[in-house]
Amino acid sequence: DSGVTQTPKHLITATGQRVTLRCSPRSGDLSVYWYQQSLDQGLQFLIQYYNGEERAKGNILERFSAQQFPDLHSELNLSSLELGDSALYFCASSVAGGGAFEQYFGPGTRLTVT
Amino acid sequence: AQSVTQLGSHVSVSEGALVLLRCNYSSSVPPYLFWYVQYPNQGLQLLLKYTTGATLVKGINGFEAEFKKSETSFHLTKPSAHMSDAAEYFCAVILSGNTGKLIFGQGTTLQVKP
Repeated sequence: DSGVTQTPKHLITATGQRVTLRCSPRSGDLSVYWYQQSLDQGLQFLIQYYNGEERAKGNILERFSAQQFPDLHSELNLSSLELGDSALYFCASSVAGGGAFEQYFGPGTRLTVT
Repeated sequence: AQSVTQLGSHVSVSEGALVLLRCNYSSSVPPYLFWYVQYPNQGLQLLLKYTTGATLVKGINGFEAEFKKSETSFHLTKPSAHMSDAAEYFCAVILSGNTGKLIFGQGTTLQVKP
């Protein structure tokens, strides 16, 4: 158990809908990351927040947005969903924002768009 | 541009044999380097990392990797494979130390035969 929690574990929804994925980082960790894992694209970095501020952005679609709240939990919002958005979405956290710090991964949320 | 290349999407070894998983990166400056393992239906777990200092790094579960700047490689090895090592392994880099943006290779599935 990494200490990172993600809800829900599974999500099935229809095209065009909007969903919110939630992540609670390990106690004391200030940085949160979101990654997408799919058969087509592999593991891709989406976005990083550090203490409530966006730190780095990756291949995140405009239909996707994220935020980190004052209590440090984070949410990833996916809208106008397409079949291709079906994937496993991981959240990770680390104690600080730099690259040398270990990232602890949650168990993931499996999103299926039908 | 592909920053991380893992040679071989599938590697099969016998129990007790040497495990060698190959990873090459492309970067003009030495990046931070990581190996992660993913067991079925689980998140990623850090095996080991190189940031600075000694180029031979030891990780969990008997794995080690050596950073070779001249070869731009960071191959993962384990002297003797165990059945429990069967999993998917990801090599990853961080190109900018100010962020935790992990760039992953495509992954190598390790099969261990009895």
